[in-house]
Amino acid sequence: ILNVEQSPQSLHVQEGDSTNFTCSFPSSNFYALHWYRWETAKSPEALFVMTLNGDEKKKGRISATLNTKEGYSYLYIKGSQPEDSATYLCALYNQGGKLIFGQGTELSVKP
Amino acid sequence: GAGVSQSPSNKVTEKGKDVELRCDPISGHTALYWYRQRLGQGLEFLIYFQGNSAPDKSGLPSDRFSAERTGESVSTLTIQRTQQEDSAVYLCASSFGTGGINGYTFGSGTRLTVV
Repeated sequence: ILNVEQSPQSLHVQEGDSTNFTCSFPSSNFYALHWYRWETAKSPEALFVMTLNGDEKKKGRISATLNTKEGYSYLYIKGSQPEDSATYLCALYNQGGKLIFGQGTELSVKP
Repeated sequence: GAGVSQSPSNKVTEKGKDVELRCDPISGHTALYWYRQRLGQGLEFLIYFQGNSAPDKSGLPSDRFSAERTGESVSTLTIQRTQQEDSAVYLCASSFGTGGINGYTFGSGTRLTVV
């Protein structure tokens, strides 16, 4: 059974703080690692799809890195804003036909 | 359509009743997935349809759960004799191809409450 682990489970930060979360996954049979943002009462929204070891992707104040050899990915948010409050999900694709999701990191940014 | 559409958005049902959840994927997306999130837990895979291939039902938690898809169109997830542990947000997603590279487009979910 594939196990995708995310930490921390929840995070409370002040507006302007920078923060990061971790996603750990089994490195065997790796194909792709996805990050999604899920705001309350909305659909999960795709942030990044990463496939290559050493990949770094950026979207505004959010960036992500990938290490497929050791099986982890980091998501960074620079200068958090209240609108960044959401659950951040990572998911592993290993050619089994579907994504396997971690339990998510719930981020709360206080103004 | 422009996005993945799910209905109903909310459903409250009595224990023991059957419910049917609907998903309308993006036109042209060959793959369709159902997941659920129970309170305090992660997104749990339920079932995956890819074109005309046999669906991957490996995530369905019991034989009370079933799903159908008509071609590359609408899918319905049916839960028979609902139990309180079935309460969850049921999410549908679709993708072009397997979604491993292209990613998923999710609907906004159906919140099911079994009382």
